[in-house]
Amino acid sequence: QITLKESGPALVKPTETLTLTCTFSGFSLSTTGVGVGWIRQPPGKALEWLTLIYWDDEKRYSPSLQSRLTVTADTSKNQVVLTMTNMASVDTATYYCAHRRPMPRGVNDAFDIWGQGTMVTVSS
Amino acid sequence: SSDLTQDPVVSVALGQTVRITCQGDSLRKYYASWYQQRPGQAPVLVMFGYNNRPSGIPDRFSGSTSGNTASLTITGAQAEDEGDYYCNSRDSTGRQLVVFGGGTKLTVL
Repeated sequence: QITLKESGPALVKPTETLTLTCTFSGFSLSTTGVGVGWIRQPPGKALEWLTLIYWDDEKRYSPSLQSRLTVTADTSKNQVVLTMTNMASVDTATYYCAHRRPMPRGVNDAFDIWGQGTMVTVSS
Repeated sequence: SSDLTQDPVVSVALGQTVRITCQGDSLRKYYASWYQQRPGQAPVLVMFGYNNRPSGIPDRFSGSTSGNTASLTITGAQAEDEGDYYCNSRDSTGRQLVVFGGGTKLTVL
């Protein structure tokens, strides 16, 4: 059974750096075709993709946020860590990590298992 | 703006059929995946690839693609199908980035 859980601060101040950890079980990030994505959702708004790390450590980032995002994986701990710099009020959102259904990289990405999400508020 | 466009609001009478659409140039090359999100809950994958339903998703859900439009069809909509539906696929730039549509709020009357 695959599970993912996000953890991190619920409140950050403007200009600070956010660090979120996705701890997962039930799969290995080393398995070909697998990936872990981060997606966020501001209150009352749509889903927004942030980043995706693949089984071979290749990483993709949202073009609009690429300069502020870093994603890393620690396969020994079954964790994926997202950092986002220079936080602002517009970054207030629920942040989800999700398991990419195993498939070749050249086809679409389907996120079949999601964490419960963690709400992050940016306020001074 | 998103590479994938969805109608913001769609309604359907209980037991009737509804189609939720997602438009984008990348859909000519890549399949869409579809997610259902109920209030206060994480999204759930309901369709991926060529009309593939994950385990546990009722067979009243089906998917299709024609040209630049992907569709999620619910045949015999139930009250529990009410919620927000999002499509996702790749971007249209060729960089193989992930994009989500703006979402469709489905109301079952």
